[in-house]
Amino acid sequence: AQKITQTQPGMFVQEKEAVTLDCTYDTSDQSYGLFWYKQPSSGEMIFLIYQGSYDEQNATEGRYSLNFQKARKSANLVISASQLGDSAMYFCAMSPTYNFNKFYFGSGTKLNVKP
Amino acid sequence: DAGITQSPRHKVTETGTPVTLRCHQTENHRYMYWYRQDPGHGLRLIHYSYGVKDTDKGEVSDGYSVSRSKTEDFLLTLESATSSQTSVYFCAITGGGVNTGELFFGEGSRLTVL
Repeated sequence: AQKITQTQPGMFVQEKEAVTLDCTYDTSDQSYGLFWYKQPSSGEMIFLIYQGSYDEQNATEGRYSLNFQKARKSANLVISASQLGDSAMYFCAMSPTYNFNKFYFGSGTKLNVKP
Repeated sequence: DAGITQSPRHKVTETGTPVTLRCHQTENHRYMYWYRQDPGHGLRLIHYSYGVKDTDKGEVSDGYSVSRSKTEDFLLTLESATSSQTSVYFCAITGGGVNTGELFFGEGSRLTVL
C-alpha cells in the first residue's frame, strides 16, 4: 500500500530565510512520481513541483526545489528566500507512473512566514 | 488556468437529502477525479473516471456515486447525505504530459450536511 507521511503539522519561518518541509513515502512500486502542492488560505490547490523516481537530478522550479533521497524514501520540499505569500498549506503526493489515476496525499504542513 | 469549474461552490443541506456536485472541464482530458479534503487527512480519492462511462472507486467511495456521460462533465452524487460527508470536495484532471501527470484542481465545493 502507498503511504505519504508529513510529520510537521505546522512550521514557522522568518521572511527571506530558507525552509524545508518534510515528506516521506512508502511504496513497493519501482516507478513513481512525487509532487508538491500549495494551498493558500483562499483554498485553491496549486501544483508546485514534480520529481520522477528515475530522475537523477533533484527537481527545481524557481525558489522551489525537491530534495529527493530515494534510498531513504524522502522527498522534502525546500523553499528558498521565503516570502509572506508562501504562507499556506503544503501537500506532498505520490503516484505510480504506470497508473496516474492513483494519487496519494499526505496530511499537509501549514507554513507561516513571519515578517 | 486549467479550465475546471465546480458547481455549486457552497452548499448547505440536511441529512438524508440527495446532493449532486458538478465538475466541468474545457481541456478535453480523459482522466477526472473527485477528492474530499478533511483536516488531518489531506486529500482522499473518492472516485475517478478514465473516459466516458468509465469510472472506478477510490479509497473513500462508500456513500458516493459518479457519472460521466460526456468528456467534459463528471458528476458526484451523494444519494442520501450524512454529516460525515461534510467536507470540501475537489475535482481534478490530469493536465501534464505523459511523464508528469500532475493534477490540476478546481476551486473546490464546500458542502455542509446538517
